[in-house]
Amino acid sequence: GAGVSQSPSNKVTEKGKDVELRCDPISGHTALYWYRQRLGQGLEFLIYFQGNSAPDKSGLPSDRFSAERTGESVSTLTIQRTQQEDSAVYLCASSPFRGMDTEAFFGQGTRLTVV
Amino acid sequence: GDSVTQMEGPVTLSEEAFLTINCTYTATGYPSLFWYVQYPGEGLQLLLKATKADDKGSNKGFEATYRKETTSFHLEKGSVQVSDSAVYFCALSDRGNSGGYQKVTFGIGTKLQVIP
Repeated sequence: GAGVSQSPSNKVTEKGKDVELRCDPISGHTALYWYRQRLGQGLEFLIYFQGNSAPDKSGLPSDRFSAERTGESVSTLTIQRTQQEDSAVYLCASSPFRGMDTEAFFGQGTRLTVV
Repeated sequence: GDSVTQMEGPVTLSEEAFLTINCTYTATGYPSLFWYVQYPGEGLQLLLKATKADDKGSNKGFEATYRKETTSFHLEKGSVQVSDSAVYFCALSDRGNSGGYQKVTFGIGTKLQVIP
């Protein structure tokens, strides 16, 4: 596709359930990021993938959060045993491995509501 | 590590007022600097960028100059419009001393509200 695609766009889940969020980056983009944006707050970095390098997981808030990416393709963010404080918009972005202007291209996000 | 600090909002201005949103950064290498904008109900999109010291990025009447001496990248617009109401994020992409590519780091965002 032409842009970063995320699915689902909305997810309502019960507390304690596991959820899986998907991100399809722009083809050829080697870098992929996950961010979280709580209502009325800024971007919170979660995890960063760059090609085949070890991911930067320093932003994951707890061991209930994990993410995978195979090569330079799709990534999934998994939240286990969801809590109400996990409610947020989860944003995925990708960027190309080129030059100095490594800008990020964002998807529309997945709005997660834990009830 | 890298960090971006931007003024907290919300910022409320009357239409045609002058806008400044301050942004300063800390980076270990030679960063590229960006401003992203998030309009209500929409995703983040790049507004402007600058890739080296003294460069000026501009778009839609907005400008920001890469000031290495003050490690700043303040966003300005001479005359804001109601349609500029959005959240503005300052960001950097740091290549590091090795020339390798690192993650994009964002500030917390500044909400701008322009009233008629």
